[in-house]
Amino acid sequence: DAGVTQSPTHLIKTRGQQVTLRCSPKSGHDTVSWYQQALGQGPQFIFQYYEEEERQRGNFPDRFSGHQFPNYSSELNVNALLLGDSALYLCASSFIGTGGRRSPLHFGNGTRLTVT
Amino acid sequence: AQSVAQPEDQVNVAEGNPLTVKCTYSVSGNPYLFWYVQYPNRGLQFLLKYITGDNLVKGSYGFEAEFNKSQTSFHLKKPSALVSDSALYFCAVRDEGYNFNKFYFGSGTKLNVKP
Repeated sequence: DAGVTQSPTHLIKTRGQQVTLRCSPKSGHDTVSWYQQALGQGPQFIFQYYEEEERQRGNFPDRFSGHQFPNYSSELNVNALLLGDSALYLCASSFIGTGGRRSPLHFGNGTRLTVT
Repeated sequence: AQSVAQPEDQVNVAEGNPLTVKCTYSVSGNPYLFWYVQYPNRGLQFLLKYITGDNLVKGSYGFEAEFNKSQTSFHLKKPSALVSDSALYFCAVRDEGYNFNKFYFGSGTKLNVKP
């Protein structure tokens, strides 16, 4: 059973460019969240997608956008890249179990984005 | 607002000795607390969670955590450390209601287990 898969694993971009990161959730999971982990820090919540809609959003500018597809996979798009966007971007998935209880987040290995 | 704090950037322990990684929390409602571990160049792996019930929660790889409401703490523990436990550990609190996938993570504690 494949876990959460993310692509690419590494990416180097130049300031001002745009980037798209991809995520396939763990089998059976319906919700995808994206987190940004800067070097030496804990992950910070960017947004969450459920039923192909953005449900919650963290304190990130509109340059950060996303999408969820009918097969539950997701993309994270970042426009007008800044040096400060350099980070590990983590995708996490989860599902609703019996009684409406949410599973813990299952994380992918992340995409390391370097902006030069 | 929800938050967690990990007061130690690094914890050093000898193999075979007990280990504790500290976490304190601040929540506006019920605390939903988690511990995750991160190995180099990898994502976070779930260790254990506290939602309700017993204050001592058992998790993966022999880890356990003690929930203390009066001290607002959720310390991670293991009776006998292994070199392979060396990694970065994150405490997290989950937001309430519909924000169920919005987790607030601490800054992390690097655990070094020496042979």
